[in-house]
Amino acid sequence: ETGVTQTPRHLVMGMTNKKSLKCEQHLGHNAMYWYKQSAKKPLELMFVYNFKEQTENNSVPSRFSPECPNSSHLFLHLHTLQPEDSALYLCASSQAGQGSHEQYFGPGTRLTVT
Amino acid sequence: AQSVSQHNHHVILSEAASLELGCNYSYGGTVNLFWYVQYPGQHLQLLLKYFSGDPLVKGIKGFEAEFIKSKFSFNLRKPSVQWSDTAEYFCAVNPSNSNYQLIWGAGTKLIIKP
Repeated sequence: ETGVTQTPRHLVMGMTNKKSLKCEQHLGHNAMYWYKQSAKKPLELMFVYNFKEQTENNSVPSRFSPECPNSSHLFLHLHTLQPEDSALYLCASSQAGQGSHEQYFGPGTRLTVT
Repeated sequence: AQSVSQHNHHVILSEAASLELGCNYSYGGTVNLFWYVQYPGQHLQLLLKYFSGDPLVKGIKGFEAEFIKSKFSFNLRKPSVQWSDTAEYFCAVNPSNSNYQLIWGAGTKLIIKP
């Protein structure tokens, strides 16, 4: 275990559904990240939060909406997704501002959009 | 744009063979460098990292990597692989101008034949 948990581990949703992914870190870190992992492609950074403030939004479609209520919790709200959004969504955390900025990852949510 | 290249998408080796996975990045300044591994069905975890000092870095499970600044490379090596090394390996770079974010390679899938 890395100290980063994600729920659910698997999610199947239709294009008209609304669902949310949850991430929680128990490491006392101050930065949290959402990544999209697709086969044969580099990890795509979606959103970054530093001290609960969103610092990056890498041109992610508005059908993905992040929320960071505190430094330990991160959500990704999903609505009207497309089949090409099917992927593994990874949450990570790190201690920004010091050290080597090593990121710790959760197990991911395998999302299938039908 | 800054990028990380992993030249081999798939590598197949027999047990006891030597391994070298290539990683090159495109940034001329100071960097922190990472290799992460993702075993089948498991989360991404840190294999080793270069932050400063000795450019030859030793990680877990007998892996090592050498930072060659003049070649913008951080290749991963292991002298004798085992079946349990079957996994996907990702190189990541934290350029000094990107604060705490990582730029990722596309990954190399390593299959070890018993």
